[in-house]
Amino acid sequence: DAGVIQSPRHEVTEMGQEVTLRCKPISGHNSLFWYRQTMMRGLELLIYFNNNVPIDDSGMPEDRFSAKMPNASFSTLKIQPSEPRDSAVYFCASRFGGADEQYFGPGTRLTVT
Amino acid sequence: QQQVKQSPQSLIVQKGGISIINCAYENTAFDYFPWYQQFPGKGPALLIAIRPDVSEKKEGRFTISFNKSAKQFSLHIMDSQPGDSATYFCAASKGGSQGNLIFGKGTKLSVKP
Repeated sequence: DAGVIQSPRHEVTEMGQEVTLRCKPISGHNSLFWYRQTMMRGLELLIYFNNNVPIDDSGMPEDRFSAKMPNASFSTLKIQPSEPRDSAVYFCASRFGGADEQYFGPGTRLTVT
Repeated sequence: QQQVKQSPQSLIVQKGGISIINCAYENTAFDYFPWYQQFPGKGPALLIAIRPDVSEKKEGRFTISFNKSAKQFSLHIMDSQPGDSATYFCAASKGGSQGNLIFGKGTKLSVKP
């Protein structure tokens, strides 16, 4: 069975541009999480969805960040406009039902110049 | 504030030795404590997890020790191998469908041959 799929794996963009990161959770999983990883702050939860509904977006840095989950098999994280301080690795993770285990995707390395 | 404190930041162990990584948490409502292993360029992968109703859990060379009264838990890697060289993250959550993982800052383990 395929794991969590993220695209693109690498993204280099210029400051001010819009960036869209994509995630496909494991089939059958109904919770989806977006994390950001940096050297300084470690792994931070940005937002998570349960049954396609955003449950907690308190980790979203500011209004430049938005996330959607239009259906059970797809989610996007958008940054508009992007800034150099947004450079990080962004991970998507999914979880099944009431289980505790989260499964991470390979991540998207974002570089904003 | 919910926090998970992890130490040490980095660890060098000789092949065959024991690697020990420690974590402490503050929120007594946490009831799920996983450890994740991350190799460079990859997403975190669930290694082993414990609930507070047991004091120890062992899976192969990996053991979690849990001290509920001290609000501490640790990962022990027995007979450490060069292939274990990775970054290890502890985490904690309230568990269940509403639980968010709070991660420690990570420990970079290097096992010397």
